[in-house]
Amino acid sequence: AQKVTQAQTEISVVEKEDVTLDCVYETRDTTYYLFWYKQPPSGELVFLIRRNSFDEQNEISGRYSWNFQKSTSSFNFTITASQVVDSAVYFCALSEVLIIQGAQKLVFGQGTRLTINP
Amino acid sequence: SQTIHQWPATLVQPVGSPLSLECTVEGTSNPNLYWYRQAAGRGLQLLFYSVGIGQISSEVPQNLSASRPQDRQFILSSKKLLLSDSGFYLCAWISRENYEQYFGPGTRLTVT
Repeated sequence: AQKVTQAQTEISVVEKEDVTLDCVYETRDTTYYLFWYKQPPSGELVFLIRRNSFDEQNEISGRYSWNFQKSTSSFNFTITASQVVDSAVYFCALSEVLIIQGAQKLVFGQGTRLTINP
Repeated sequence: SQTIHQWPATLVQPVGSPLSLECTVEGTSNPNLYWYRQAAGRGLQLLFYSVGIGQISSEVPQNLSASRPQDRQFILSSKKLLLSDSGFYLCAWISRENYEQYFGPGTRLTVT
């Protein structure tokens, strides 16, 4: 069965510090997708990134960067020079693709609550 | 652009009462639709998904049911709510072009 583990329940840092959120996954599929979502206090989930299992290149988007390492089944998320607006719960997710139906089911980690203090 | 609506935004219901949460999607056709539940302080659990009108797949046995009467409408229901049904319910759809999943604003349900 697929599983996503976010071992860090809560992280608190001071503004401008760099912070890394860990994500470790388990799957028997050879084709899968990994995601990160941000959930601000309003509750709505905001899509951040999707990465497929064949693309291990690291990605950078502004202050955000992601490190995908298939050898360790990890997909870690780093925020550089954190800001108060980055405070939120962050979820890592893994998808199983049902080819016949074309449906995709996401398995979520428990989330990491990130607090950036001014 | 695609938009996903959910209502109501918040709901307080007594135990044993019925439930109906609605989700509609605009700007796309034949989407795969999903219902997730997030219990307080926890991750998201997939409840149901649908690949077309009248087609519902249930992920976990529970007190809830889902229906898809129209292409872009997905309804979550219960005949009798339990205290354990409290949570934050999120509807989502998947783009068949890039497989990105987008979520609605959610409904916060409190069963008293």
